[in-house]
Amino acid sequence: GESVGLHLPTLSVQEGDNSIINCAYSNSASDYFIWYKQESGKGPQFIIDIRSNMDKRQGQRVTVLLNKTVKHLSLQIAATQPGDSAVYFCAENIGFYFGSGTKLNVKP
Amino acid sequence: KAGVTQTPRYLIKTRGQQVTLSCSPISGHRSVSWYQQTPGQGLQFLFEYFSETQRNKGNFPGRFSGRQFSNSRSEMNVSTLELGDSALYLCASSLGSFENEQFFGPGTRLTVL
Repeated sequence: GESVGLHLPTLSVQEGDNSIINCAYSNSASDYFIWYKQESGKGPQFIIDIRSNMDKRQGQRVTVLLNKTVKHLSLQIAATQPGDSAVYFCAENIGFYFGSGTKLNVKP
Repeated sequence: KAGVTQTPRYLIKTRGQQVTLSCSPISGHRSVSWYQQTPGQGLQFLFEYFSETQRNKGNFPGRFSGRQFSNSRSEMNVSTLELGDSALYLCASSLGSFENEQFFGPGTRLTVL
């Protein structure tokens, strides 16, 4: 499939371990954030979102943490599976800005 | 229900030409956004249309333009193509805003020679 992660930071984890993917956002006025997953050859897919009035939000196997003081988001994936291998982006609502992405490689 | 479709999936053009890409959103979605994705610059927002009006715009030159039709289908046009326009162009549709879940199409891979 097409590669969109040629120049991205890469995180390699063992299957079953927890993964933490970090993202710095750019605009302090942003008040809504989304994490997307992009598999090779596909468009990004929504994973989880969080509003700025929250510090933490949990989904199925995923948790997003928001630190507004340092403009930082993290995505935690529990019990990482091979199917989680993809590029992960955070996005903020002001300017429809997407972070540069992190490539997650899950080793079986 | 059917997802977002983009046509064509692949396109090869030469410098100076123009190109039109098409996006059909999910039925009922009125917002369509366009993005350019390259290895060096990541995913960059081009513009968003809602009810046939451009509502938001990114920082791209005027060579990049778009429109939306009454059935919410959208087209993106790039004139006077440059080598640097080679990229994956993604469109996403949503019910109404960035805060409604955006559903992305598979993209159109444009290569400019």
